[in-house]
This record gives sequence, C-alpha cells and structure tokens, in this order.
Amino acid sequence: NAGVTQTPKFRILKIGQSMTLQCTQDMNHNYMYWYRQDPGMGLKLIYYSVGAGITDKGEVPNGYNVSRSTTEDFPLRLELAAPSQTSVYFCASELGAGRTDTQYFGPGTRLTVL
Amino acid sequence: GQNIDQPTEMTATEGAIVQINCTYQTSGFNGLFWYQQHAGEAPTFLSYNVLDGLEEKGRFSSFLSRSKGYSYLLLKELQMKDSASYLCAVRDPYNTDKLIFGTGTRLQVFP
Repeated sequence: NAGVTQTPKFRILKIGQSMTLQCTQDMNHNYMYWYRQDPGMGLKLIYYSVGAGITDKGEVPNGYNVSRSTTEDFPLRLELAAPSQTSVYFCASELGAGRTDTQYFGPGTRLTVL
Repeated sequence: GQNIDQPTEMTATEGAIVQINCTYQTSGFNGLFWYQQHAGEAPTFLSYNVLDGLEEKGRFSSFLSRSKGYSYLLLKELQMKDSASYLCAVRDPYNTDKLIFGTGTRLQVFP
C-alpha cells in the first residue's frame, strides 16, 4: 500500500495564478482532510470530507476549494494565489469507523507564492 | 473556545528522559493523540489516550487526566533520532469529532 500520496512535492506560484494540489489514498478510508502548516505553527484544517460527494469547511477555508468525486481522491484548488497561502499543505485520511481512528498523513506539498 | 497549549521548545541529552506536557480546553473530549513530526516530514501517529492513566509503548508513554485537561508524553532512553516536533491533538465531539492540534513542541536531543 502506498498510503496517502500528494503531488507535487514543491511548487512556486506567482500571485494570481491557480493550481490544484492532488491527494490520493489507497486505504479505502472514508474521511479525508486538508491542513496547512505555517512555520512554528500547528496544523490548521482547511477542508474535510466524510465520504464521496460530501465536503465541508474547516477553520481556514478562504481562498481554497475542494471536491470529492471518488473515495480515493481529494484535490485542493487554489484559484487566485496570494502570498498568505505560502505554507506546507498536508492531506490526511482516516477510516472513519470510530473515535480511536488515527489520521494518516501524506508527505506534504511545499508551496511558495511570490 | 478551543485551546491546546504545549511548550514551544525543549532540549535534552541522549539517554535521558524527557516529559512533554499538553494542556487543553475544548468544548468536548473524545480522545487525545500524540504525533511525531521530523523536520520536513509528515506527522506520524505515536499514541492515543481516551481514559485517565498511562499508556506505554516501548520507550514512549502517554498519560491523560481528563479532569485536569492535561496530558504528557514521556520519552525514555532518548536517542538522537528522537529530535523532532511532537504534536498534541484533541478529538472534539462538539466540533464534529475533528482533531484540534496544538502548535507542537520541538525537541532537540544532544549527544
């Protein structure tokens, strides 16, 4: 099993550009999450999904969009990149069967907006 | 409100024992997780506590007191590879059971 994979690993964007961060999990997990982590800070939840076709906002959703058309994929879209979106983005998945489930994280995407 | 507090940085010596504290104030409580995150890498699961007391896993132990809103992660026989950030996270049922993360404690282990 590959677990949770993310592409790309690194990206530099210009202000106003758009891009999609890809996330795929092969563990048949129901729940998926997108976090951002700024230097010296904890993980902030951007969006999450409890199953295909269902998404909801987290703590910091502004400037982002998501979709969940399949169980495996949960892409994160940045429409008009801003310097404040410079961060490391982690995708995570969780079985969703109970409160003891842990989250499994992808390797992260390091995004710089100039 | 929701708040999870951890010390920002700690240092320790190889072979020693270190205790990383976490205090939390959340609307509800459905368990507390500890994750390890090496620099430039993803967080990985270390431990889970939902009942009061100590959970031991090899060199790592985690303790929980729900009445005090307090947990600690105890690392014994420290090794250089234990240099990492340690994240405390609480599952909050009043927040649709999502995890609320602390800012993490950066531990540096010196020879």
